[in-house]
Amino acid sequence: RKEVEQDPGPFNVPEGATVAFNCTYSNSASQSFFWYRQDCRKEPKLLMSVYSSGNEDGRFTAQLNRASQYISLLIRDSKLSDSATYLCVVNQNAGNNRKLIWGLGTSLAVNP
Amino acid sequence: EAQVTQNPRYLITVTGKKLTVTCSQNMNHEYMSWYRQDPGLGLRQIYYSMNVEVTDKGDVPEGYKVSRKEKRNFPLILESPSPNQTSLYFCASSFQGGLAGNNEQFFGPGTRLTVL
Repeated sequence: RKEVEQDPGPFNVPEGATVAFNCTYSNSASQSFFWYRQDCRKEPKLLMSVYSSGNEDGRFTAQLNRASQYISLLIRDSKLSDSATYLCVVNQNAGNNRKLIWGLGTSLAVNP
Repeated sequence: EAQVTQNPRYLITVTGKKLTVTCSQNMNHEYMSWYRQDPGLGLRQIYYSMNVEVTDKGDVPEGYKVSRKEKRNFPLILESPSPNQTSLYFCASSFQGGLAGNNEQFFGPGTRLTVL
């Protein structure tokens, strides 16, 4: 089983739709969680951290379920500019290293 | 502007010809890291550095070397490149503080390397 698993998609949705991505992680000792966004052939950029109580940033909502070991990202009112790959990232402190485990990403295409 | 820069952005080379990919950040970050990204394998860490003169292996260090003589620079060296090192390479940096590691990683624009 991979340490961080995501549905690769692609998710094809019309503008204005609501779309949700899930990500599961295998190590229950994982300490912090993130969603990064990566546009085609570009570098990943932090979209949002995921907190235990859940958090929202505009149209984006992230949730963490430690008992079931998954995190989710909800995008409301999708825009064309939301088309990208969304990477789930889990941080496991391994000695002195901040060991970030990256999912393979979920591809989203928002269509006009 | 706060940024991570990498050079070159694109490189085609031949097997065995030593090359260096430079990485520089202007945010005074302690932590720097190199990743490679390959289809179906995602981002994998090659080497990382906690601070000046402190480096360690990541998950896929074979065939690579790094150095951290200054805080801002973290070059990646391929002494004898091979075709299996053809990949998209990213340098990243962040502040080190905090055990929880809730520190945003800032990535360079990437270097697309092809080894023939």
